[in-house]
Amino acid sequence: NAGVTQTPKFQVLKTGQSMTLQCAQDMNHEYMSWYRQDPGMGLRLIHYSVGAGITDQGEVPNGYNVSRSTTEDFPLRLLSAAPSQTSVYFCASSYTSATGNEKLFFGSGTQLSVL
Amino acid sequence: AQSVTQPDIHITVSEGASLELRCNYSYGATPYLFWYVQSPGQGLQLLLKYFSGDTLVQGIKGFEAEFKRSQSSFNLRKPSVHWSDAAEYFCAVGGVNFNKFYFGSGTKLNVKP
Repeated sequence: NAGVTQTPKFQVLKTGQSMTLQCAQDMNHEYMSWYRQDPGMGLRLIHYSVGAGITDQGEVPNGYNVSRSTTEDFPLRLLSAAPSQTSVYFCASSYTSATGNEKLFFGSGTQLSVL
Repeated sequence: AQSVTQPDIHITVSEGASLELRCNYSYGATPYLFWYVQSPGQGLQLLLKYFSGDTLVQGIKGFEAEFKRSQSSFNLRKPSVHWSDAAEYFCAVGGVNFNKFYFGSGTKLNVKP
């Protein structure tokens, strides 16, 4: 069982370049989300999705786009990379149930540097 | 507004000593509370969570946390720290919709031999 898979693990971009961070989960989870982690700031929510075709903004959405065409995939797009977007990005999935087993399942992270 | 505060950025304890990491939250509805641990270069691993019921919850690796609604706190404790516990610890809060989580800024734990 792969869980949450993020690619790539490392990426270096030049200012103004665009790219897509990929995230896929094979657990049929309803919810998926993207976080960025910066030193001393913990994890901050960028965008999230409660199901295929439904997305919404989190705390720090500017400069990022998302879409959720399938339950499994939730890519994060940087349209025009800026040095301020240098960070570690985590994708997560989650679900609700009657058993109280809800939790966030995290991917292994993508370390992005924008020069 | 929803937020999580971890007032201690760094903590150093001796191996075998007890540990308490503080977490205070602000949340407008019934909170779901979590503690995660992150080792260097790794992702986040869930230590424990509180949804309802007994306010003292047990987690993995010998950790426990106590939910105190009156103090809006969810402090993490361990009676005897091991060198392998050195890591960064994050407190998080979410709601029943379980789609948005707010994380604290983290506490880095250093363990002295």
